[in-house]
Amino acid sequence: KNEVEQSPQNLTAQEGEFITINCSYSVGISALHWLQQHPGGGIVSLFMLSSGKKKHGRLIATINIQEKHSSLHITASHPRDSAVYICAGWFTGNQFYFGTGTSLTVIP
Amino acid sequence: DADVTQTPRNRITKTGKRIMLECSQTKGHDRMYWYRQDPGLGLRLIYYSFDVKDINKGEISDGYSVSRQAQAKFSLSLESAIPNQTALYFCATSDSAGRTDTQYFGPGTRLTVL
Repeated sequence: KNEVEQSPQNLTAQEGEFITINCSYSVGISALHWLQQHPGGGIVSLFMLSSGKKKHGRLIATINIQEKHSSLHITASHPRDSAVYICAGWFTGNQFYFGTGTSLTVIP
Repeated sequence: DADVTQTPRNRITKTGKRIMLECSQTKGHDRMYWYRQDPGLGLRLIYYSFDVKDINKGEISDGYSVSRQAQAKFSLSLESAIPNQTALYFCATSDSAGRTDTQYFGPGTRLTVL
């Protein structure tokens, strides 16, 4: 049973395009995280949010608690944004579940 | 120097051997985590510790044990390694006092069990 579902699994975009990655989750989440995994394997935390919207540079994360859905947007995409983006959340019972990730490739 | 370090970075071992993966952090965080990553399955939580005296099982703790020797150190042991424990292992830390509970990941340990 996968508590966190991401879509799409793979995404290819042209440089400059606006990108959206979606994350849906089951009940009982207290906070949702967005992570970025670089091609070399390193993982960086991008956002943690429990309501509303957060912005950092060209990255925007939103969450809709009622619909149990979060989105990660990248504006003016660049080849250096190519990475795997992962959403994850703390669920009731103090368990942390990850989505399987969205592999993004931005072509120059 | 990196804030979260893992040793070793790569390890090849044989079935039945005992293996210890170590994680150290200089961030002063109270919370530490161990994850494994498998192709197609993503990341999964093995164990986590919210402070030195607190150890909790994650989604896939069977076959693993942990030790929180100090606030800065959290070790993961495989008592008798088996091939399906071949994976990329990540340690992470976070600060309960912070508003964001952002997790900071180590560089990972690639473990191969033959």
